[in-house]
Amino acid sequence: GNSVTQMEGPVTLSEEAFLTINCTYTATGYPSLFWYVQYPGEGLQLLLKATKADDKGSNKGFEATYRKETTSFHLEKGSVQVSDSAVYFCALSDRGDYKLSFGAGTTVTVRA
Amino acid sequence: SAVISQKPSRDICQRGTSLTIQCQVDSQVTMMFWYRQQPGQSLTLIATANQGSEATYESGFVIDKFPISRPNLTFSTLTVSNMSPEDSSIYLCSVEGRRRGHEQFFGPGTRLTVL
Repeated sequence: GNSVTQMEGPVTLSEEAFLTINCTYTATGYPSLFWYVQYPGEGLQLLLKATKADDKGSNKGFEATYRKETTSFHLEKGSVQVSDSAVYFCALSDRGDYKLSFGAGTTVTVRA
Repeated sequence: SAVISQKPSRDICQRGTSLTIQCQVDSQVTMMFWYRQQPGQSLTLIATANQGSEATYESGFVIDKFPISRPNLTFSTLTVSNMSPEDSSIYLCSVEGRRRGHEQFFGPGTRLTVL
């Protein structure tokens, strides 16, 4: 079956630091990959996505590249801000199966 | 993306009672889903709400505990029945994007506390 393994947190950073959150996946088909973000007290928002190998998703300064050879989709941001403090979820959707499988989530706290 | 609203946004309920959560979408969608997010945990799919037929439940979830209705392509309800403190969670509905196998968009969630 499909599964997502995500770097455990919590992660605490200073403003302007570099952020990486590791995500690897197991899927039977050719999945689409996603990063969702949940800001404090808010719902789940799609941050970025990639639908095929070597695609790079990007949004709000965040990037992630779909690496089929390493079955990974690591999230990166070069310079974080306090407003990036949130819980980040890696997820996949197998095209043959519409269901979303989520990682455990990584809590990121950015300090001024 | 679709605009999704949920009611209520939060509630505090007594053990043994039931709560019905509503999910409204501003456009017609084929696929609607219900998820549970237990405190400090990730999201777990409860069921897929099918229009015109019975919902499809995931392993560990049953219709008697979580009955779902889907009367049309813009609306669904999830009932949490005979609640216990273990049902305290955030319940979220989601809809599929334009293409199968791609992103889902989530409602703001309903935060349920059972005493």
